[in-house]
Order: sequence, then C-alpha cells, then structure tokens
Amino acid sequence: GAVVSQHPSWVICKSGTSVKIECRSLDFQATTMFWYRQFPKQSLMLMATSNEGSKATYEQGVEKDKFLINHASLTLSTLTVTSAHPEDSSFYICSAREGLAGPTYNEQFFGPGTRLTVL
Amino acid sequence: EDKVVQSPLSLVVHEGDTVTLNCSYEVTNFRSLLWYKQEKKAPTFLFMLTSSGIEKKSGRLSSILDKKELFSILNITATQTGDSAVYLCAVEWGGSNYKLTFGKGTLLTVNP
Repeated sequence: GAVVSQHPSWVICKSGTSVKIECRSLDFQATTMFWYRQFPKQSLMLMATSNEGSKATYEQGVEKDKFLINHASLTLSTLTVTSAHPEDSSFYICSAREGLAGPTYNEQFFGPGTRLTVL
Repeated sequence: EDKVVQSPLSLVVHEGDTVTLNCSYEVTNFRSLLWYKQEKKAPTFLFMLTSSGIEKKSGRLSSILDKKELFSILNITATQTGDSAVYLCAVEWGGSNYKLTFGKGTLLTVNP
C-alpha cells in the first residue's frame, strides 16, 4: 500500500531556531502534498497545499514566511518552521496524494506525524 | 464557521455496545467524505464515501452518506476496547485543488 514517512518523528528546539520536517512518499509519486497541524485535543487543521514544482498555497491565517514549504520532487516535501516559538509547538502531519486517476485517486495517505516542542 | 461538525464530541460505552457517530457538513464542490481513526499518531483511513445511500462495511464498522441531508454516520457494532480512539470525519471539497477539512472528532472510550 501507499506509505508516507516523516522525519524526524519528534524534535525539541530552542526558541528562535528553525526546524525542518521532511515528508516522503515511499512507493508512489505524490503530485500533491498537504501539511496539517494538530494542537492537543483538537482536530487537524490544513496549513498548506503544495503541488510538485510550484509554490504552496497557504490557508488563511498561516504565515507563509514562517512556514516555508518546498515540494521539489514527486516524493519529497519539506516544511521549515522558521524562528520557532513555543506557540508553534504542535503535531505536524503531512499527507500525500497521487495525481494519477485510479482506485486511490482521491485518497490522501498520511505520514506518522512530527511532534515539535519549542522551548 | 465550522464546515464539518461531528457529534457527539465524546462517548463512553461498554464492550459489546453499538455506537453511531455523526458527521454533518456544509461545503461547496463536495467530492467525498472520509472517516479516519486516530490513536496517538496520524489518522488511519477507514472509509471514503462519494455516493448517497451506499453502505460501506469493514468488519464491525460501517458507514453511509446522505448527500441530500449532508451528513454521514459511522457505526461500530460489538465494540471492543481496541476501538477506543478519536474518530475523525473529513470532507474533501474545493475547486481545482481539492482539500480536506476535518471535524473536531469524536473521542470514543470503550470500557471492558
């Protein structure tokens, strides 16, 4: 089945530093990748949508200069949290979707998530 | 305003009980409704529904969509402690780039 990995699975950093999170589709080509954030006891909130080779589309209220997204290849997207602050501490989850028509055309496959703690 | 509303927000039952989880939505350019189970980590896919009135089943879980009334239900029969989790409903909608909007989830606790 379709597998999406994230790295790292957890990270602790100091306030003011930048953190990069990788999302990889391991056995399929992901033309579209999504980044979500989930605060404790809350649901997943979509942050941005990225299509391979083009700029990400950010949801309202998400700062594009703070959350840099790069989707340079069909199997890799990265999210960089720049100048992280304690309020950025959250669970970040990526998902990937194939672009080809087929039985799994609509399905998003989720990564295992990255827990970010900013001290 | 919330586009995807789940109810109840939490539910406590005993093993063997049957539960029904609800999800209502209001979006433009609806494409599909999905149910996920989340236990500590990322959500795991349960069902994707696109057509009204067609029940999808997987073991003790089943789900159905009503596109006229804009809601879906997820049923779990003969619940087990391993069913304890947050159940998320998400709606795929939009224009050229469909995206998922999640409900707040239903926290199901199954006691032995």
